[in-house]
Amino acid sequence: DGGITQSPKYLFRKEGQNVTLSCEQNLNHDAMYWYRQDPGQGLRLIYYSQIVNDFQKGDIAEGYSVSREKKESFPLTVTSAQKNPTAFYLCASSPTGGGQPQHFGDGTRLSIL
Amino acid sequence: KQEVTQIPAALSVPEGENLVLNCSFTDSAIYNLQWFRQDPGKGLTSLLLIQSSQREQTSGRLNASLDKSSGRSTLYIAASQPGDSATYLCAVSNSNYQLIWGAGTKLIIKP
Repeated sequence: DGGITQSPKYLFRKEGQNVTLSCEQNLNHDAMYWYRQDPGQGLRLIYYSQIVNDFQKGDIAEGYSVSREKKESFPLTVTSAQKNPTAFYLCASSPTGGGQPQHFGDGTRLSIL
Repeated sequence: KQEVTQIPAALSVPEGENLVLNCSFTDSAIYNLQWFRQDPGKGLTSLLLIQSSQREQTSGRLNASLDKSSGRSTLYIAASQPGDSATYLCAVSNSNYQLIWGAGTKLIIKP
C-alpha cells in the first residue's frame, strides 16, 4: 500500500545528543514536510522540500536540520541546539506544493531522558 | 500574520446528534482551507479541501463551508457516531502554499 512511514514511533534523546527521525514515502510525491505538534497548539512547520536536493526553513527551523537526497526520503535531525525537543513530530507529503492535500505519517514521539 | 482559531477546544455530544465545528482565520487572502482528523497518537487524515473560490464541499456525513469575507469555516457532521471521536483540525493555505494550523477541537461522541 502507498503511504508515509515514520520511524521510530518513540525516541529518547540524551543531553547533547543529535537524533534523526526517518520519513519515507512511496506515493511519488514531490513535496515533503516536517511539523512539530505540542499539546494545545496547532502544527508548526519546521522544514519543507518541494523537490529533491532543495529545502526551505519553516517557522521553527532553529535546532533542526534536514536533507532531501532522494525523492522518497526526508529525514529530520534534531540537534543538541534544540533545547526543548520534547514533542510529537509529523512528516507529510503532497504531489506538489500549491495547497494540495497533504498525506501524513503516524508520527514520532520524541522525549528527553 | 495569518492566525487560525478553533473554538471550542473540546466538545462532547450524545451519539446521533448533528454538530458543527468552527474555524476562523484573520486574513481572507487564502488559497484554500482544509479539514483534517487526528486520532490519539496518530497522524492526520485529510477530510475535505475547499478552494478559495468554493463555498462548500461534502463527503458522506461531512459538509464543510467557507466564507472568506468573514474569515470563517464550519465542519458539519451529521448523525454523529462514536467512531467520529477524534481531534479535528483546520488549516489554511497561504500564498506560499504553506499551511497555517488551528489548535484543533477534540470531539467526543458519547454512546
